[in-house]
Amino acid sequence: AQTVTQSQPEMSVQEAETVTLSCTYDTSESNYYLFWYKQPPSRQMILVIRQEAYKQQNATENRFSVNFQKAAKSFSLKISDSQLGDTAMYFCAFMTSGNTPLVFGKGTRLSVIA
Amino acid sequence: NAGVTQTPKFQVLKTGQSMTLQCAQDMNHEYMSWYRQDPGMGLRLIHYSVGAGITDQGEVPNGYNVSRSTTEDFPLRLLSAAPSQTSVYFCASSRLRGRGELFFGEGSRLTVL
Repeated sequence: AQTVTQSQPEMSVQEAETVTLSCTYDTSESNYYLFWYKQPPSRQMILVIRQEAYKQQNATENRFSVNFQKAAKSFSLKISDSQLGDTAMYFCAFMTSGNTPLVFGKGTRLSVIA
Repeated sequence: NAGVTQTPKFQVLKTGQSMTLQCAQDMNHEYMSWYRQDPGMGLRLIHYSVGAGITDQGEVPNGYNVSRSTTEDFPLRLLSAAPSQTSVYFCASSRLRGRGELFFGEGSRLTVL
């Protein structure tokens, strides 16, 4: 069974600084997808960034980028120029290419401090 | 743009009562699922469906029933609510052969007394 581990239950960062959230996963599959979802206090789940395992290039979406290390089964999220609106729970998630259900980590609560 | 609509957003039940959480999507997604979110536990899959008439169990299915009679709707039924079912519930949908991105409803907070 696939598992996703987020080892940092809580983190904080100063506004305008950079922060990295860690995620590791375990799978025997070679083709899969990885995601980072953001959940602000509104409770809405918002997709931040998506990575396909067969792509070597790390995904980037504006201030959000990932460091995907396939051999190490690591998928960290870097937030640059942190903003107060980035305060949220962040969930790492995994699914195989066979459209199996998305498996989530337990989340990292990020607080951006003014 | 409705997307994924969940009702109700809040509900309080007494132990032993039954209720149904409704979920509807207007994106013609084949795949629909229900998750529960508890503090420190992340999101755990309850049930999912890959199309009308097809459902399957997730990680924590006990105490919950689902059915998928149409592509649009995927209700979650609690037959006899227990305090352990106090949680926030999310319905989510996606295309089966798309980018894999899940579209979530706004969540339903359920309290069982």
